[in-house]
Amino acid sequence: QKEVEQNSGPLSVPEGAIASLNCTYSDRVSQSFFWYRQYSGKSPELIMSIYSNGDKEDGRFTAQLNKASQYVSLLIRDSQPSDSATYLCAVNENFGNEKLTFGTGTRLTIIP
Amino acid sequence: GAGVSQSPSNKVTEKGKDVELRCDPISGHTALYWYRQSLGQGLEFLIYFQGNSAPDKSGLPSDRFSAERTGGSVSTLTIQRTQQEDSAVYLCASSLMSNQPQHFGDGTRLSIL
Repeated sequence: QKEVEQNSGPLSVPEGAIASLNCTYSDRVSQSFFWYRQYSGKSPELIMSIYSNGDKEDGRFTAQLNKASQYVSLLIRDSQPSDSATYLCAVNENFGNEKLTFGTGTRLTIIP
Repeated sequence: GAGVSQSPSNKVTEKGKDVELRCDPISGHTALYWYRQSLGQGLEFLIYFQGNSAPDKSGLPSDRFSAERTGGSVSTLTIQRTQQEDSAVYLCASSLMSNQPQHFGDGTRLSIL
């Protein structure tokens, strides 16, 4: 059973601070890693994708991947109240098995 | 529109009825996925279509669930003899190719009375 684990939160972060969201996965052959943001009552929205070890930055977002530790994280700099949402970590194997396995999400609240 | 389109947005039906949910993927996307999200739960994979290949049905929870994709574009998810545990948001996603990021529609909220 492939698993993706996230702390459900809620994680509360002051406005302007860095929010750090973490995710671990059980399947060592996982190849692609994604972070989705989901506002209450809305569908998931892709924030970041990362495929190789290291950091990937896009604006205020940085994804970090460590395949040896089976760990992927998302950092949000200069957090804004509009960042308040549930963040979903998703993983897939590729190589013909393209379905995403999702974590249950971390609920993030940015405190003004 | 440019995104994944799903209909209906909401569906309320009685237990035992059949329902059909529709997904129109982003134009040019060859891969299409169905997931469902129950209240307070993570997203659960249901089925995946890639081009003309046989679909991956490994996530379908029972033989009451089926899906088809006609002409490599629009997909229909059918649930027969609905049960209360089928109540969930059914999400469709598409991607340009099978190893590319998936983009989600707004979902169909299904409620079984």
